[in-house]
Amino acid sequence: GQNIDQPTEMTATEGAIVQINCTYQTSGFNGLFWYQQHAGEAPTFLSYNVLDGLEEKGRFSSFLSRSKGYSYLLLKELQMKDSASYLCAVASGGSYIPTFGRGTSLIVHP
Amino acid sequence: KAGVTQTPRYLIKTRGQQVTLSCSPISGHRSVSWYQQTPGQGLQFLFEYFSETQRNKGNFPGRFSGRQFSNSRSEMNVSTLELGDSALYLCASSLSGVNTGELFFGEGSRLTVL
Repeated sequence: GQNIDQPTEMTATEGAIVQINCTYQTSGFNGLFWYQQHAGEAPTFLSYNVLDGLEEKGRFSSFLSRSKGYSYLLLKELQMKDSASYLCAVASGGSYIPTFGRGTSLIVHP
Repeated sequence: KAGVTQTPRYLIKTRGQQVTLSCSPISGHRSVSWYQQTPGQGLQFLFEYFSETQRNKGNFPGRFSGRQFSNSRSEMNVSTLELGDSALYLCASSLSGVNTGELFFGEGSRLTVL
């Protein structure tokens, strides 16, 4: 099985930077994903990391360290619309089906 | 292009009943996965279908079943409903089996069991 840990809730100020951490324990790592889910809506894909390092995509960046079982999602220039749940998910064990963490609820306030 | 469509969006059932949920994937997508989402457990994988075959299965009891048709549309069925089955059921499609990580989710079917 897999253990995926991420903080339950975080708060940040509009315009600031926030880092959401995710740690995992797994064997046969096949990739780590981040999804965003606004309340009452479907999750939407943000990023996919399979190699170590930082992947940047606009205001969002995702980092992976396979040796440490660690990833983070970095959100810059926060906007009110970034208030959402951020889901870390890991695929492993010969399958590409991601197992999701419980998500981090990010609240952005003015 | 049209997204993933799930029906019905909301439904209420009583214990012991059964329910069937439907999912139409994005045109051209052959993989359909189902997830259960609850506040306490988060998103939990139920099963994945690819070309009408169940390719992966999560740790849910046999009361949860599914199938995929030749047009890639998928259905999941839950029999003998229990109160704990109350959840948002999400369907996700991908081109070839999620190996790029990008799952396209539907809005979900919210099931309430009374």
